[in-house]
Amino acid sequence: AQKVTQAQTEISVVEKEDVTLDCVYETRDTTYYLFWYKQPPSGELVFLIRRNSFDEQNEISGRYSWNFQKSTSSFNFTITASQVVDSAVYFCALSDNSNSGYALNFGKGTSLLVTP
Amino acid sequence: DSGVTQTPKHLITATGQRVTLRCSPRSGDLSVYWYQQSLDQGLQFLIHYYNGEERAKGNILERFSAQQFPDLHSELNLSSLELGDSALYFCASSVVTGSSSYNEQFFGPGTRLTVL
Repeated sequence: AQKVTQAQTEISVVEKEDVTLDCVYETRDTTYYLFWYKQPPSGELVFLIRRNSFDEQNEISGRYSWNFQKSTSSFNFTITASQVVDSAVYFCALSDNSNSGYALNFGKGTSLLVTP
Repeated sequence: DSGVTQTPKHLITATGQRVTLRCSPRSGDLSVYWYQQSLDQGLQFLIHYYNGEERAKGNILERFSAQQFPDLHSELNLSSLELGDSALYFCASSVVTGSSSYNEQFFGPGTRLTVL
């Protein structure tokens, strides 16, 4: 069975602080995909990144970076120099060829509040 | 703008009623996924259609059904509504069905259903 755990329910930081959102996953498949989505207060789901199970390279995109470690089944997300506009709920998701046929299995989300 | 449209944006109805939510995928996308976001259950996968055919089911209640039409738009039908069905319903589209070549799912803005 597949499972995504985001242990941090809420995080509050002051602007310009760095913050890391944790994600731990479980899957029996050798081929799978990991995602991060952002849900701002307006409610839409914004795709941030996809990683496949064969690519463990870390990725950096501006202030965002992702650390994928198969050995610990983790796919953590770091925001450097956080800004107020980063305030949102962030979801980690897993997709594999389980009985849901590559549908997304989301974690419970981490609510990030960045204050000035 | 993801290119996925959902109507209506908001829907308020009473217990016991039936409603239909509509989703138009991005141009060229053959897959439509439906997800429900509620306070209790978080974001969970309901059902997946590919080119008119049902491909996978998640935690979809028997009171709920969906279909995908020849023009590829999809409808999610919710009947005998209960208070607990109040949620944000998202659809997402992608180019292909589950395969080794995974394609991102692009989410619509969601339909917020309130059952009174």
